[in-house]
Amino acid sequence: GENVEQHPSTLSVQEGDSAVIKCTYSDSASNYFPWYKQELGKRPQLIIDIRSNVGEKKDQRIAVTLNKTAKHFSLHITETQPEDSAVYFCAASIENFGNEKLTFGTGTRLTIIP
Amino acid sequence: DGGITQSPKYLFRKEGQNVTLSCEQNLNHDAMYWYRQDPGQGLRLIYYSQIVNDFQKGDIAEGYSVSREKKESFPLTVTSAQKNPTAFYLCASSIVRGDTGELFFGEGSRLTVL
Repeated sequence: GENVEQHPSTLSVQEGDSAVIKCTYSDSASNYFPWYKQELGKRPQLIIDIRSNVGEKKDQRIAVTLNKTAKHFSLHITETQPEDSAVYFCAASIENFGNEKLTFGTGTRLTIIP
Repeated sequence: DGGITQSPKYLFRKEGQNVTLSCEQNLNHDAMYWYRQDPGQGLRLIYYSQIVNDFQKGDIAEGYSVSREKKESFPLTVTSAQKNPTAFYLCASSIVRGDTGELFFGEGSRLTVL
């Protein structure tokens, strides 16, 4: 089955700097890669996703890049703000196979230092 | 206000006791899921249901049971057979079954076995 590794497990950055979280996956058939954000004491929420027909997707300060050949994808947050502090989870799946096939990474705790 | 409601938020249980976690959604979603979240580990799928009166085991179903008698409700029972039940449990739903897409999560239930 699919195996997703996520690094780093913790990350601290100064407010205004950029943060990068990286994930690798093992199943070359995977083609759907969502990112979820879980603020302290709150529910995880989808913040961005990418499908393997594109190499990069942006949404304001958040971007995700995908390298299918190397089987890794990354979350980039620019101009970080205190509200970016949270745990971020990456995941991988084969589209149309159902959410039950979604494999999550172990999470990255991002702390923004004011 | 539409969403997923989990209860209770905190629960303490003595060893040997069964406990049931409630999950209710008013999003009219077909599919519902139960995940377990442990420190340093990703979200792991316990059970899922794509339609009323049907449910399937996920990756770590041993020691758990579920029912799906109504579209809105997907309760999880943690039985005494679960060897390490202390964890944070998340319920989720999605619009379509059999496909990948956004998961909508509840705020979770933290179970502690004394």
